[in-house]
Amino acid sequence: KNQVEQSPQSLIILEGKNCTLQCNYTVSPFSNLRWYKQDTGRGPVSLTIMTFSENTKSNGRYTATLDADTKQSSLHITASQLSDSASYICVVSDRGSTLGRLYFGRGTQLTVWP
Amino acid sequence: EADIYQTPRYLVIGTGKKITLECSQTMGHDKMYWYQQDPGMELHLIHYSYGVNSTEKGDLSSESTVSRIRTEHFPLTLESARPSHTSQYLCASSDGWQGGDYGYTFGSGTRLTVV
Repeated sequence: KNQVEQSPQSLIILEGKNCTLQCNYTVSPFSNLRWYKQDTGRGPVSLTIMTFSENTKSNGRYTATLDADTKQSSLHITASQLSDSASYICVVSDRGSTLGRLYFGRGTQLTVWP
Repeated sequence: EADIYQTPRYLVIGTGKKITLECSQTMGHDKMYWYQQDPGMELHLIHYSYGVNSTEKGDLSSESTVSRIRTEHFPLTLESARPSHTSQYLCASSDGWQGGDYGYTFGSGTRLTVV
């Protein structure tokens, strides 16, 4: 069964600190992996998208890594800000059908304290 | 700046009422989707559309229906709302298949509460 598992479920850090969020997946055949940021009561906003051949991708203070061999990804946030408080969702898509399919993790709820 | 719009943002309605959640996008995307999301849970696909006059059911069974008469518009309708329909509904669009390396944009969502 194709799945996306994220850890930790929730995380609290102090403003200015760094953190790393994890995503493990079993989706096959793999197409790409996306990280989204979802503020409370809002829709997800794309941070990064990586294909099989990409190991790392940055978007400002956000850096995503991908190890397609071990089926693991991480999202590293540097110098956290209060506005980083949100749910971060890992999404993996496959090439197994004409439509393709998105598989969503449950997200990591990040809280940044002043 | 959002190019996909959902209305209303919040809706509280009584059991048995008919409701329509609106979703419009200005990007000319052919593919549009409706997801349902409960707090702390993953998004579940309930409907999708390849283009005008094309609609399909998603992975999660839903009592809602959708229509796609215009490219930019993809409304979702519940004929008789029930408390079990209480959830957040997210609309999305893309310029390619879900599995492709394409832009995929979400609306801000409609939080529905059925009392």
